[in-house]
Amino acid sequence: DAGITQSPRHKVTETGTPVTLRCHQTENHRYMYWYRQDPGHGLRLIHYSYGVKDTDKGEVSDGYSVSRSKTEDFLLTLESATSSQTSVYFCAISERGGAYNEQFFGPGTRLTVL
Amino acid sequence: TQLLEQSPQFLSIQEGENLTVYCNSSSVFSSLQWYRQEPGEGPVLLVTVVTGGEVKKLKRLTFQFGDARKDSSLHITAAQPGDTGLYLCAGAGDMRFGAGTRLTVKP
Repeated sequence: DAGITQSPRHKVTETGTPVTLRCHQTENHRYMYWYRQDPGHGLRLIHYSYGVKDTDKGEVSDGYSVSRSKTEDFLLTLESATSSQTSVYFCAISERGGAYNEQFFGPGTRLTVL
Repeated sequence: TQLLEQSPQFLSIQEGENLTVYCNSSSVFSSLQWYRQEPGEGPVLLVTVVTGGEVKKLKRLTFQFGDARKDSSLHITAAQPGDTGLYLCAGAGDMRFGAGTRLTVKP
């Protein structure tokens, strides 16, 4: 199994509070991704990174920011959490981008915003 | 925007039956991937298909990429309870996923 961990695995928070989710990899892969998974929507890309300090927006980036100061860590921040951000969040890594970006996923973080 | 539509949404079958699930788009993809996700876990990559008309086999699973590279199918022969899960297709370079087919195989 690819070495990907996510923390925390579960979190309950209140509307308006800031939340940071962490993804940590031990594979030294260049690309890292944050997705959210909701019933009926599959996985939707929030942000991704193609190198240290290099990030770009995905399909559902509003309300989220990311940072990558080290190869191994990719942080997802909800500056002011809303109930619509209740979801399961997955981090993924890949060695290559483009058509050959075979992604390995972490175990997920279940976030509930009350 | 390259949308991926998967069908059926839900499929419940008995052990030993064969099944096919589909992934369709109106756009051309450079490659398509299939993932399987079990409850409480992240998706796991099964296969990447790149060439139009390509067929790949993984034990009892057969993956086909359409000639026009707009669609793909996954066929499972003699399904087993261990095949139960959510099957997702994804446009690799696009990083977009379909909503998935949830398969249940009953013993």
